[in-house]
Amino acid sequence: QVQLVESGGGVVQPGRPHRLSCEASGFTFSNHGMHWVRQAPGKGLEWLAVISFDGNKNYSTDLVMGRFTISRDNSKNTLYLQMNNLNGDDTAVYYCAKDMGVSGSQGIDSWGRGTLVIVSS
Amino acid sequence: QSVLTQPPSVSAAPRQRVTISCSGSNSNIGQNGVDWYQQLPGAPPKLLVYYDDQVASGVSDRFSGSKSGTSASLAISGLQSDDEAAYYCAAWDDSRKGWVFGGGTQLTVL
Repeated sequence: QVQLVESGGGVVQPGRPHRLSCEASGFTFSNHGMHWVRQAPGKGLEWLAVISFDGNKNYSTDLVMGRFTISRDNSKNTLYLQMNNLNGDDTAVYYCAKDMGVSGSQGIDSWGRGTLVIVSS
Repeated sequence: QSVLTQPPSVSAAPRQRVTISCSGSNSNIGQNGVDWYQQLPGAPPKLLVYYDDQVASGVSDRFSGSKSGTSASLAISGLQSDDEAAYYCAAWDDSRKGWVFGGGTQLTVL
């Protein structure tokens, strides 16, 4: 079955760069678009970014454009989120999620369990 | 302020039917399919309905989705206590070139 395991969460200092990873298994990773979605404590879901199956196209929400970068390594079945210039508003559980299609515009059908990032000095 | 608008909360008694609305615009719901997710406390979201009205594999047929114009709805019939959760709608937005979520609706089974 589909498994998505995020890692890299923890306490991060404001302004410092940080990278999250998501290891995928149970499906053909290179055939699917992939997403990052976050959820601040007690708040709703916030979509962050999507990347196409081959990594050639990606889109992100204006809120993180220029600060967060989504990427993937299909040889390692791994999705990444590079986060720069972090601040307290970025404190959240970060979910990795699989799209039903190749481009990332079909919709999310599977989610990881999430990794908590706390931005604090 | 979410791009898709949902009521913050709904409630109904066991065995009753409840609907959750999701309002958007021509650039998202009006042009693209709507997905619905259930999130139980402490758990990741789970896909319930995709492409407006397709029930996801393994999901009870008590859940159904519909869409008209720029609004969509999720209906849950035969309410059970374990349906208590937060429910989110989502759609691709052509103008933003990205996904947008509703703010979420907390369902309480009385």
